[in-house]
Amino acid sequence: EIVMTQSPDTLSVYPGERATLSCRASQSVSNNLAWYQQKPGQAPRLLIYGASTRATGIPARFSGSGSGTEFTLTISSLQSEDFAVYYCQQYDDWPPITFGQGTRLEIK
Amino acid sequence: EVQVVESGGGLVQPGGSLRLSCSASGFSVSIKYMSWVRQAPGRGLEWVSLIYSGGRTYYADSVKGRFTISRHTSKNTLYLQLNSLRPEDTAVYYCARVHDYGCAFDLWGQGTVVTVSS
Repeated sequence: EIVMTQSPDTLSVYPGERATLSCRASQSVSNNLAWYQQKPGQAPRLLIYGASTRATGIPARFSGSGSGTEFTLTISSLQSEDFAVYYCQQYDDWPPITFGQGTRLEIK
Repeated sequence: EVQVVESGGGLVQPGGSLRLSCSASGFSVSIKYMSWVRQAPGRGLEWVSLIYSGGRTYYADSVKGRFTISRHTSKNTLYLQLNSLRPEDTAVYYCARVHDYGCAFDLWGQGTVVTVSS
């Protein structure tokens, strides 16, 4: 099973600043990596797939990068609606499909 | 509108059973890969099961032999049969559609709550 580890667990950032979230895989997942945003009481929303391709309707301030075992989600200028929990997910070698434990992005 | 709507959750005793439903609109569940993902209270996301358009099924080890994924083409509905339920199965269960390019999940329902407790 591929273990996904996200860092940090909690990130505090001022609105308007850049946020950088990390995700590490226990073995290479090539570019088969997705990012999701989840707000309290809501379902997750797909942001990025293929490590760097924005899903339909996702604003350009969200960008993904990386390949192999190291990945990054960058939010270039944080808006109030961006404060949420973010999950990475690998779909390279499955079952099982595995998620990271999540990073909580909070307002500083 | 393209959406999926889950139902069927509830309170059940340990060892009991439930059947979750996921009604799809705007697309056909029979030509898409579909999946179930759960989230225990205050915890992260856990993949549960996936069904290919061709019918092949996959399960997480934690539910293998107890849960069964299936679909009904004419009702355009995905199901998850939950048997031999345990307290650790308590979670919000989400139905999710698999993206056309790799097994990311591009459409999620609002979830249905399953509580396993005596």
